[in-house]
Amino acid sequence: AQTVTQSQPEMSVQEAETVTLSCTYDTSESDYYLFWYKQPPSRQMILVIRQEAYKQQNATENRFSVNFQKAAKSFSLKISDSQLGDAAMYFCAYRRSEGAQKLVFGQGTRLTINP
Amino acid sequence: DSGVTQTPKHLITATGQRVTLRCSPRSGDLSVYWYQQSLDQGLQFLIQYYNGEERAKGNILERFSAQQFPDLHSELNLSSLELGDSALYFCASSAQRDRGLDGYTFGSGTRLTVV
Repeated sequence: AQTVTQSQPEMSVQEAETVTLSCTYDTSESDYYLFWYKQPPSRQMILVIRQEAYKQQNATENRFSVNFQKAAKSFSLKISDSQLGDAAMYFCAYRRSEGAQKLVFGQGTRLTINP
Repeated sequence: DSGVTQTPKHLITATGQRVTLRCSPRSGDLSVYWYQQSLDQGLQFLIQYYNGEERAKGNILERFSAQQFPDLHSELNLSSLELGDSALYFCASSAQRDRGLDGYTFGSGTRLTVV
């Protein structure tokens, strides 16, 4: 079974600085998708960024980028120029590639932004 | 509005009771997923329905059941409720596409409190 591990229960960063959230996963599949979701205090799940395993190029969405290391099964999220609105729980998630499949989530990292 | 509608938003009930949570997927999405999020935990997959049929099952308790109706809305039934069932229950939907990089669309969740 696939598993996703986020080893940092909590992280904090100064406003305008850069922070990296870690995620590792375990799978025997060669093709899959990886996601980062943000959950602010409102509890809404918001998709931040996604990566296809067969693409070597790291995904980027404005201030959010990933470092995808397939061999190491690592998928970290980098947030540049941190803003107060980035404060939230961040979840890493894995999904097999074929058809409609469930998401497997990590336990989350709570990110605090210090003004 | 994400397009996925969950009702009710909040529910308070006593131990031993039975409740029904409702989810209407985004227009055109055939798959519905139910997740449970206990306090400050990750999302645990409960069950998936695709076009009216059960597609995958996670660690769903026998006291819990679900179904998807012909109009594609889904209901999650929780019975003989215990204090430990208090959680945020999310519904998500996705389109059925092979090799599609679809993130899921999440509803805003139902907060269940068992007293």
